Amino acid sequence: QTVVTQEPSFSVSPGGTVTLTCGLSSGSVSTTHYPSWHQQTPGQAPRTLIYTTNTRSSGVPDRFSGSILGNKAALTITGAQADDESDYYCVLYMGRAIWVFGGGTKLTVL
Amino acid sequence: QVQLVESGGGVVQPGGSLRLSCAASGFSFSNYGMHWVRQAPGRGLEWVAFIRSDRTNKYYADSVKGRFTVSGDNSKNTLYLQMNSLSVEDTAVYRCAKDEGWSFHYWGQGALVSVSS
Repeated sequence: QTVVTQEPSFSVSPGGTVTLTCGLSSGSVSTTHYPSWHQQTPGQAPRTLIYTTNTRSSGVPDRFSGSILGNKAALTITGAQADDESDYYCVLYMGRAIWVFGGGTKLTVL
Repeated sequence: QVQLVESGGGVVQPGGSLRLSCAASGFSFSNYGMHWVRQAPGRGLEWVAFIRSDRTNKYYADSVKGRFTVSGDNSKNTLYLQMNSLSVEDTAVYRCAKDEGWSFHYWGQGALVSVSS
């Protein structure tokens, strides 16, 4: 069974840039996995930041961007702010109408 | 704007059944596939089920296959999840999400399902 991998935790300084990644235990992530990224704070519903690799959801600041970097999907946050401190989840389409979420990355801004 | 509102959650005994609903508005519901995703307390997100826009083709995670049934009524702009043979491992917040090109876009707030004796 393929596992979607994410960094368990990451730390960034206010104003800094951070890139979170989303990989596969076997193989490379490509645009055909239609990666999406979702931000979640405790007790709240996820908020879609990026879908279909690099399309920013309505109302999401342009300091959030999605891409494929090497063999992984990536979410880059430039100019990190305190309220970016959240859990970030990626999800990949594995084909045959099956989707798999990564375990999430807990981002700390300090 | 897109709104997804779940209902039908509650407490149920192991082996019991529950049906969740997801009322959709702000987009053309009949043109989009829809997902169910769950999140156990303190855990990450788990994809549960997907139904295509025609509400005919349905797909499930192995963990719920044979027990859960996803359906949709395009005339009512409503998505459903019938959950049977529930176990304590099914305890979670269940959310519906709109599909956008095999990707997830927009989420509901969720309905809590608690399976306990």
